[in-house]
Amino acid sequence: QKEVEQDPGPLSVPEGAIVSLNCTYSNSAFQYFMWYRQYSRKGPELLMYTYSSGNKEDGRFTAQVDKSSKYISLFIRDSQPSDSATYLCAMSPILTGGGNKLTFGTGTQLKVEL
Amino acid sequence: DTGVSQDPRHKITKRGQNVTFRCDPISEHNRLYWYRQTLGQGPEFLTYFQNEAQLEKSRLLSDRFSAERPKGSFSTLEIQRTEQGDSAMYLCAVGTGGDTIYFGEGSWLTVV
Repeated sequence: QKEVEQDPGPLSVPEGAIVSLNCTYSNSAFQYFMWYRQYSRKGPELLMYTYSSGNKEDGRFTAQVDKSSKYISLFIRDSQPSDSATYLCAMSPILTGGGNKLTFGTGTQLKVEL
Repeated sequence: DTGVSQDPRHKITKRGQNVTFRCDPISEHNRLYWYRQTLGQGPEFLTYFQNEAQLEKSRLLSDRFSAERPKGSFSTLEIQRTEQGDSAMYLCAVGTGGDTIYFGEGSWLTVV
């Protein structure tokens, strides 16, 4: 079993829809949670970053972390065709003086259609 | 602009040849990472530098792989005797003063 599970999709939604993307994880040590967006043949772009449990909002994006359920979500409101990409969740434990080694999900491919 | 430049962006090589990728952070970052991403998968951690010191290496980094960061600025990742299974995107990333990590555009490797 992988430490981080993410449905690969593809997920297809109409423009303007609310999109919900999710990841589950098994490692209780994870404390930092990130969402990256990746366009085809490009590097991952950091979208959202949260520490521990709770919600964080940035424009049309909301990240939620439920550590009791080991479940994280990314919501995209008023989705646009330009949101079509692969969305990767990533997480890491508390820094212990070393590097912030991220464990990624497989990514969910999202397509927003006109 | 991610602030991380990678070169070359694409490389096609024959099996058995050596390849080297370079990563140039635009500004100073004491933490630098290499990840590998294959099609349909998320990036996987390969190795990590704190300044010029290589502090951690993944089991994925076989003896054919070597990474350096000689002056604590740019970094190189060399793959010797390439195999078809090495075909992937090799991503360089840097850590800021906080806990976030920013990736470059990646270097695509195809081994034929």
